[in-house]
Amino acid sequence: KAGVTQTPRYLIKTRGQQVTLSCSPISGHRSVSWYQQTPGQGLQFLFEYFSETQRNKGNFPGRFSGRQFSNSRSEMNVSTLELGDSALYLCASTSGAENEQYFGPGTRLTVT
Amino acid sequence: AQSVTQLGSHVSVSEGALVLLRCNYSSSVPPYLFWYVQYPNQGLQLLLKYTSAATLVKGINGFEAEFKKSETSFHLTKPSAHMSDAAEYFCAVTATGFQKLVFGTGTRLLVSP
Repeated sequence: KAGVTQTPRYLIKTRGQQVTLSCSPISGHRSVSWYQQTPGQGLQFLFEYFSETQRNKGNFPGRFSGRQFSNSRSEMNVSTLELGDSALYLCASTSGAENEQYFGPGTRLTVT
Repeated sequence: AQSVTQLGSHVSVSEGALVLLRCNYSSSVPPYLFWYVQYPNQGLQLLLKYTSAATLVKGINGFEAEFKKSETSFHLTKPSAHMSDAAEYFCAVTATGFQKLVFGTGTRLLVSP
């Protein structure tokens, strides 16, 4: 069974631009969560989608948004990029009711 | 609200020595607890999980953790460290029915020959 895939793996953007990251969950998983990892703030929850609906949201500004498609693939978008948005963005999909999350390799975003 | 505290940002052991990584949690409801490992430039890999069944949980790569409610702890151990265990380890907590994982700040494990 294929794992969680994320594209692209690396991305360099300029301040003020916007970016879209993609995540394909493990086949059969319907919940997708996004996390931001930075050296200063650690791992922080962004949002979670289940059956195309945002079910939970972390404490991030409205510049961060996401969506989920009918095939459970998810995208997150960051608009008006700031230097502080430079981070590893991790996607995870969930199996069953025990909240066991499987993570993808991440997208490393660098904002210059 | 839920939180986890990982004591020690860095832990150094010799190859073959006991590994002990500490995690204490705070939760207003029965928690689900997890340990993840992260190798450089990679995502997180699940080592083991506690979901209110057995309090002693065995995971992959010889790791295990014991849930102690009285101490609100979920420490990760491995009897004998290997060089390949060098990585960053994260403890995480979540509540039943919610997918939001709350992570600790991580502990970097260094293994010397």
